[in-house]
Amino acid sequence: DAGITQSPRHKVTETGTPVTLRCHQTENHRYMYWYRQDPGHGLRLIHYSYGVKDTDKGEVSDGYSVSRSKTEDFLLTLESATSSQTSVYFCAISESRGVGKETSVADEQFFGPGTRLTVL
Amino acid sequence: GNSVTQMEGPVTLSEEAFLTINCTYTATGYPSLFWYVQYPGEGLQLLLKATKADDKGSNKGFEATYRKETTSFHLEKGSVQVSDSAVYFCALNSGGYQKVTFGTGTKLQVIP
Repeated sequence: DAGITQSPRHKVTETGTPVTLRCHQTENHRYMYWYRQDPGHGLRLIHYSYGVKDTDKGEVSDGYSVSRSKTEDFLLTLESATSSQTSVYFCAISESRGVGKETSVADEQFFGPGTRLTVL
Repeated sequence: GNSVTQMEGPVTLSEEAFLTINCTYTATGYPSLFWYVQYPGEGLQLLLKATKADDKGSNKGFEATYRKETTSFHLEKGSVQVSDSAVYFCALNSGGYQKVTFGTGTKLQVIP
């Protein structure tokens, strides 16, 4: 199994509070992703990183920010949590054979165990 | 843009039944296709993949063939077990600046 951990695994918070989720990998993979999983929507990409300090937005990035100061850690921050951000959050990694922001068509992703976030 | 369409679930089968989960896609270029499986309370795991037309991916008794002419990648298994109960996601990766596109998932429940 790929070495990916997420913390916390469960969190309950109140509307308006800041929340930070952490993804840690031991695989030294270049690409890291944050997804949210909601019924009827499958997985939706929030943000991704293609290297240290290199990040970009996904399809549902509003209300979220990310940071990657080390290869192994990718943080997702909800600056002011809302009830619509109640979800299960997954981190994923891949060792892209592409260059820069580009990925290779054959890249596969490895997922962490997820964080269940409830915003009351 | 890219898209993946999976059959709606849940799918309920008896043990040893034949399984098909349909997946069709729309994509530019020549994407790779994937099936991921998510067991209860866990993250997604890669089940199988195919990187070019007519390739067959297989793993743990599951198979899927990359059909470019019908833009499909249907998942099949000849005899399901209770332990196969999970959510199955079809996905594609067309590389470049595109990111992986996932289907909405199909829940499979296998009853003894």
